[in-house]
Amino acid sequence: NAGVTQTPKFQVLKTGQSMTLQCAQDMNHEYMSWYRQDPGMGLRLIHYSVGAGITDQGEVPNGYNVSRSTTEDFPLRLLSAAPSQTSVYFCASSLRGGQGETQYFGPGTRLLVL
Amino acid sequence: KNQVEQSPQSLIILEGKNCTLQCNYTVSPFSNLRWYKQDTGRGPVSLTIMTFSENTKSNGRYTATLDADTKQSSLHITASQLSDSASYICVVRKNYHGDNQGGKLIFGQGTELSVKP
Repeated sequence: NAGVTQTPKFQVLKTGQSMTLQCAQDMNHEYMSWYRQDPGMGLRLIHYSVGAGITDQGEVPNGYNVSRSTTEDFPLRLLSAAPSQTSVYFCASSLRGGQGETQYFGPGTRLLVL
Repeated sequence: KNQVEQSPQSLIILEGKNCTLQCNYTVSPFSNLRWYKQDTGRGPVSLTIMTFSENTKSNGRYTATLDADTKQSSLHITASQLSDSASYICVVRKNYHGDNQGGKLIFGQGTELSVKP
């Protein structure tokens, strides 16, 4: 199993540009989520999905869109990039999002918005 | 306010020595507490998950403790190795009714551990 994969590893955008961060998992997990990690702060939840066709907002959803058309893929879209979105983005998955389940994280995408 | 505070922020130890990292939380209602290891440039990897009734949990040279009464946890690393150099993140899961509702995880800022030869 490849686990959770993310592409690209690194991206530079100009303010106002849009892009999609890709996330895929091959563990047949129902629950997937996106986090951002900023210096001096804990990871913060952006959006999550409990299954194909179902998404919901996390703690910091503004400026981001998600969709979940398949169990495997959970892309994160930046509609109009802003410097405040400079961050490291992590995708994570777990079997069903249950209380005691381990979350598996991808390697991250480092985004710089100029 | 639901918070997870870790100390120290950073720590340098010599290879072979032991160390203990601390985590205090104010999350309520409590579901479980997790410790993750995050290597530089990588995603977090789970070390332990402890519920309310568990006081101690080990994973190789890593031993986590939980005192649910005082809302404190520690991660003890025995006989440290160079590969233990990483950020260690304490995460508390908040309890929700109807669990599969995105279950909120509250992340600490992490403790940066550097093991020197």
